[in-house]
Amino acid sequence: EDQVTQSPEALRLQEGESSSLNCSYTVSGLRGLFWYRQDPGKGPEFLFTLYSAGEEKEKERLKATLTKKESFLHITAPKPEDSATYLCAVLISGGSNYKLTFGKGTLLTVNP
Amino acid sequence: ETGVTQTPRHLVMGMTNKKSLKCEQHLGHNAMYWYKQSAKKPLELMFVYSLEERVENNSVPSRFSPECPNSSHLFLHLHTLQPEDSALYLCASSQDVADNEQFFGPGTRLTVL
Repeated sequence: EDQVTQSPEALRLQEGESSSLNCSYTVSGLRGLFWYRQDPGKGPEFLFTLYSAGEEKEKERLKATLTKKESFLHITAPKPEDSATYLCAVLISGGSNYKLTFGKGTLLTVNP
Repeated sequence: ETGVTQTPRHLVMGMTNKKSLKCEQHLGHNAMYWYKQSAKKPLELMFVYSLEERVENNSVPSRFSPECPNSSHLFLHLHTLQPEDSALYLCASSQDVADNEQFFGPGTRLTVL
């Protein structure tokens, strides 16, 4: 069965303390991997799409990387406003063009 | 209004009530989606519409009934719900169903008593 697992479930960092969030997947035929950010009381906000192993994308303090089995979301020198739940989702081959399979998310808290 | 809006933001209903959730997108997109987000569970896709035509019904119970009268509006009609249906219901849109950059609304927090 196709699965998307995010770890850790929750992460507390001090402001400026860099770290990484993990998204591992066991799917047959990855067509794309997506990262979203979700703030409390809001819908998810699109961050990145990665399509092939070795690909990297950056946006401000965030960098997403992709291997054949997992993706990392690296957060460099985080600030309190980076606190949110980060969601990972995959699109698989052989399925529909639009059915994203989501992980449960990582709740990131950055303390000042 | 810009982006994707949803009303109401919060809804409490009894199991015998009938209510509707509304979603409107101001992005000129052709595809719209309903998702369910429960505590401690991943986002679950419920329905997908492309140019007002339903293209996905992801094994959702018939007590949830979607309606897409035009490409900007999407409704989710609710009747005889169960307490386990309590969740955050999210609407999203994308340029078309092949475009996976989906824009989400803020959601409706539904509580079924």
